[in-house]
Amino acid sequence: KAGVTQTPRYLIKTRGQQVTLSCSPISGHRSVSWYQQTPGQGLQFLFEYFSETQRNKGNFPGRFSGRQFSNSRSEMNVSTLELGDSALYLCASSPNENTEAFFGQGTRLTVV
Amino acid sequence: GEDVEQSLFLSVREGDSSVINCTYTDSSSTYLYWYKQEPGAGLQLLTYIFSNMDMKQDQRLTVLLNKKDKHLSLRIADTQTGDSAIYFCAETYSSASKIIFGSGTRLSIRP
Repeated sequence: KAGVTQTPRYLIKTRGQQVTLSCSPISGHRSVSWYQQTPGQGLQFLFEYFSETQRNKGNFPGRFSGRQFSNSRSEMNVSTLELGDSALYLCASSPNENTEAFFGQGTRLTVV
Repeated sequence: GEDVEQSLFLSVREGDSSVINCTYTDSSSTYLYWYKQEPGAGLQLLTYIFSNMDMKQDQRLTVLLNKKDKHLSLRIADTQTGDSAIYFCAETYSSASKIIFGSGTRLSIRP
């Protein structure tokens, strides 16, 4: 069974631009969560989707948004990029709500 | 409140056992996890334990949970150079679907 796939693996963007990251969960998994990892703040929860509905949201500004499609694939979007948005963005997939979570390799975003 | 704490560094000799400790604050935790992260990589789920269990063993890994003290530990037997990584303790609880992570413990192996 294929693992969680995140694309792209690396991305360089300029301040003010917007970016879309993609996550394909493990086949059959319905829950997808997103996390931001930075050296200063560690791993922080962004949001979680289950059956196309956002069920939980972390403490991030509205520039961070996401969605989930009917095939459980998810995207997250960051608009008006800031230098501080440079981070490793990790996606996690779970079979159902409140079950074990498996992570992808992440997308490393650099904002210049 | 939500808080997971763990020490930042641990150095062990190759072949010895490594014990990484973690404390958490939320008594309603349902799952407690250990993740491994190697340089430039994502998070690898090593093992997890339900909050109604005391111990779980999986090959070289042993997880111990002390619910009274809200203390979780990961023991790696016969530590090898390939075990060098950052280990994250994490919890999730039934009223929410997010995972709360500790700051990670960097495990280094001495020859």
